[in-house]
Amino acid sequence: DAGITQSPRHKVTETGTPVTLRCHQTENHRYMYWYRQDPGHGLRLIHYSYGVKDTDKGEVSDGYSVSRSKTEDFLLTLESATSSQTSVYFCAISELVGRDEKLFFGSGTQLSVL
Amino acid sequence: AQSVTQLGSHVSVSEGALVLLRCNYSSSVPPYLFWYVQYPNQGLQLLLKYTSAATLVKGINGFEAEFKKSETSFHLTKPSAHMSDAAEYFCAGMLSGGYNKLIFGAGTRLAVHP
Repeated sequence: DAGITQSPRHKVTETGTPVTLRCHQTENHRYMYWYRQDPGHGLRLIHYSYGVKDTDKGEVSDGYSVSRSKTEDFLLTLESATSSQTSVYFCAISELVGRDEKLFFGSGTQLSVL
Repeated sequence: AQSVTQLGSHVSVSEGALVLLRCNYSSSVPPYLFWYVQYPNQGLQLLLKYTSAATLVKGINGFEAEFKKSETSFHLTKPSAHMSDAAEYFCAGMLSGGYNKLIFGAGTRLAVHP
């Protein structure tokens, strides 16, 4: 699992409240990603990071912000949650395996916005 | 626009039968293509990937995929389905500008019947 931990695993919140999801890794990987998974859409990239304090937007970044103040943690924040942000959120890291770079995913966070 | 399309959101086969999961990509997508598998309540695992070497790519668990540029396809096959193959499968292509910024297809859920 490349040492990826997502928290919380499940979250129920109300529209308009702030929510922060945490991705923690233990193996000092440089690249980290946040995806959301929705039926009929596969996984879509929200934001990614290529180092401490270095982040960039993915294809569905509106309504989300991220922070990476240290290598091991990549936080995803919904400043004011909406029902359209109900989804399963996956964190991922990329890792060099031999001469090959692979993408490894966490177990996901199920977020429900009521 | 770059896109990856999976034909068929659900596929059902009998145990021992051929598995064929279809994936097509738009011509603007660079020819780095991937298949991932997701078991219930888990993250995604890499099955195999095409990176412009051999057009027939062998992956884990007996799966393989063939890259056909003329058909812009990267279909996933397995000669003989096993009950443990029941899962959701995602085809993905690399976005330009970054090795691991993947575009995912919507997914195909594979059911295997005794």
